[in-house]
Amino acid sequence: SQQGEEDPQALSIQEGENATMNCSYKTSINNLQWYRQNSGRGLVHLILIRSNEREKHSGRLRVTLDTSKKSSSLLITASRAADTASYFCATNRRWSGGGADGLTFGKGTHLIIQP
Amino acid sequence: DTEVTQTPKHLVMGMTNKKSLKCEQHMGHRAMYWYKQKAKKPPELMFVYSYEKLSINESVPSRFSPECPNSSLLNLHLHALQPEDSALYLCASRRTGEIDEQYFGPGTRLTVT
Repeated sequence: SQQGEEDPQALSIQEGENATMNCSYKTSINNLQWYRQNSGRGLVHLILIRSNEREKHSGRLRVTLDTSKKSSSLLITASRAADTASYFCATNRRWSGGGADGLTFGKGTHLIIQP
Repeated sequence: DTEVTQTPKHLVMGMTNKKSLKCEQHMGHRAMYWYKQKAKKPPELMFVYSYEKLSINESVPSRFSPECPNSSLLNLHLHALQPEDSALYLCASRRTGEIDEQYFGPGTRLTVT
C-alpha cells in the first residue's frame, strides 16, 4: 500500500517561481526523505528529515515535517528549468528481525518549470 | 566513488528466456535493494539484502530470483517473465548504521515480449 501520497500530482510553474509539494503518510516513521527522478532514470536523494525535526534546509530546498498531521512539504525556491523532474517522498519502515528496511514511496509530483 | 552501476541499461526478452540484471557498488554499503517501477508510478520495493543475506522479500513471484554473491554485487535473475513484468528495475544501496539515504543506480529498462 502507498505510504506517502503527494499533491499536487502535476505542477507547472514559471522559472524563478517557488514550487511547493506536499506529502502525507499513514504510519509511524523513522524519517521522511525526498527524492528526484529525471525522465524515468535513477532517483537522486535530495533531503532527509528525521521524525524529531520540524524543518530542514539544503540550498534552495526547504522541508517541513508535521508528525501530528503525518505530513511533509518540500519547497523549491527560485526554480530553474533543470528542476523539471518527478519528486517523490519516501518513508522508512523497519521490519521485525532487525536492521532491514525499505523505502515506501508516495505517488510523486511531476514538476515542470517553464523557461 | 559514490556510484551504483547497473547493467544492462536496456533489456528485451521473451517469456521463455532466462536473463540476469546486475548491480554493483563500491561504497562499502552492506544493505542493497531491488525496486520495480512501472511507467508513471512510484518505485515499489522487491527485495532487501543486509550483509549479503536476504532480509525482505515483498511477496515477489518466484520468476524473480535475487542473489548477492558478495558485498559489492547484487543480481536479479529473471525466468519465464510475463509482459506485465516490463518495467524499470532499480538497484539501491545504503550504508549500515543509522537509517539514511539510499543511493540509486540508473536502472535497467526491461521489456518482456
